[in-house]
Amino acid sequence: DVKVTQSSRYLVKRTGEKVFLECVQDMDHENMFWYRQDPGLGLRLIYFSYDVKMKEKGDIPEGYSVSREKKERFSLILESASTNQTSMYLCASSFPAGDLGTGELFFGEGSRLTVL
Amino acid sequence: AQRVTQPEKLLSVFKGAPVELKCNYSYSGSPELFWYVQYSRQRLQLLLRHISRESIKGFTADLNKGETSFHLKKPFAQEEDSAMYYCALRSPQGGSEKLVFGKGTKLTVNP
Repeated sequence: DVKVTQSSRYLVKRTGEKVFLECVQDMDHENMFWYRQDPGLGLRLIYFSYDVKMKEKGDIPEGYSVSREKKERFSLILESASTNQTSMYLCASSFPAGDLGTGELFFGEGSRLTVL
Repeated sequence: AQRVTQPEKLLSVFKGAPVELKCNYSYSGSPELFWYVQYSRQRLQLLLRHISRESIKGFTADLNKGETSFHLKKPFAQEEDSAMYYCALRSPQGGSEKLVFGKGTKLTVNP
C-alpha cells in the first residue's frame, strides 16, 4: 500500500515564523508535489519535484520554497509565515506518467496550518 | 493555458437519483483527465481516469473533445457517495507531470 506521510497534521504558528512541512513517501516515486487546498479555490500547485534536488514552480510559489535532498522526502518551507498562508497543505507523489504508471497521484492526509 | 472548470460548488441529490458532476477543460492538445475524490476525514484519492474507460463504484466519465468536457455520472446515487470531487487535467504533450485541478464540487446524497 502506497504511503505518503506528512509529519504534522496540525500546526499553529505566528506571523513571521519559519515553518517546515515534511513529507515522506515509501514507494520510490520520482515525482513529489505540494498543493494547498482552500474552500472554493480547490487545489493549487505550489511546487513540484521530479527528481532529487530538482524542483519546479507551480502556480502559486510566492512565499514558499522547497527542498528535496533525498528521493523519499520533500519539504515545504515558509520562510516568513503570513496569515494568508493559513491553509490545508497536501503532499502527493507519483511515478512519471507513461513510465511505471499512469502518473496517479497518491496524497498524504494533509497538514492544516494556522498562522496567527 | 490549462484550465479546469467545475461550475457547481455544491450539488445535492436524493439517494437513488442520477447524479452528474460537470467538468469542462481548456487545453489545445489531447489532455489526460482524471476524477479525484475526498471522503470525509480521508485523503484525496483517484476515482477514475479517462484512459482506462472504466467504471468505479458505479461512476463513469466520458471525455468529449468536441465539448471539452469530462462529466462524472452515476445512475443511482448512494449516501456513501457524499464527498468532495475534483476534476483534474494533465498535458502529456508538454511532458509535464503537473496536474491541474478544478475547484471541486461537494456532493451530498440525502437519504
